[in-house]
Amino acid sequence: DTGVSQDPRHKITKRGQNVTFRCDPISEHNRLYWYRQTLGQGPEFLTYFQNEAQLEKSRLLSDRFSAERPKGSFSTLEIQRTEQGDSAMYLCASSFSGVDEAFFGQGTRLTVV
Amino acid sequence: AQKVTQAQTEISVVEKEDVTLDCVYETRDTTYYLFWYKQPPSGELVFLIRRNSFDEQNEISGRYSWNFQKSTSSFNFTITASQVVDSAVYFCALSHTGTASKLTFGTGTRLQVTL
Repeated sequence: DTGVSQDPRHKITKRGQNVTFRCDPISEHNRLYWYRQTLGQGPEFLTYFQNEAQLEKSRLLSDRFSAERPKGSFSTLEIQRTEQGDSAMYLCASSFSGVDEAFFGQGTRLTVV
Repeated sequence: AQKVTQAQTEISVVEKEDVTLDCVYETRDTTYYLFWYKQPPSGELVFLIRRNSFDEQNEISGRYSWNFQKSTSSFNFTITASQVVDSAVYFCALSHTGTASKLTFGTGTRLQVTL
């Protein structure tokens, strides 16, 4: 296992289209986090899962955003009816609960045109 | 509300120079955790350190050292004898938990180390 894997690495979509990103965490990590990072800014927390349960959602996660982790392994983040303001890097991370270190993936860069 | 300020947007140094990255935070929590992450050009965030609010002891790890001062709400990061491989964006972050949930990040400091 080489780390947190995110797919795709880059996505260009037209405004109004739906997009889905996938995150494969490190095996046996029970916590999975989604963050969003816009250009020149630090990452902003979106949501996190412990196993398959979504424990917390940020106010940034509008109704157009939905995240799932159906079997407590990989996770998907879907954005419906994309807007130009959704253009950002979407980062996924995983960790053991209660352990310091979260390992981040390389992110999915979304461009909405 | 929590806030992290990294006033230095970009720093350029010549290899072997020492460099300090500043981080100032705001929180009303009495228990909180401070983090530093490195983001190289490849994009992934690399965890460097976590400190809790009750542990003000400075820490040294190789060429890296951290100075935590509650009196000034600062958690500064120093790289000694910088190397080209240190070039990256460095983020300071704050959380009321000890994990990566609900981290509040600063805007980052881009460090450029040249030969």
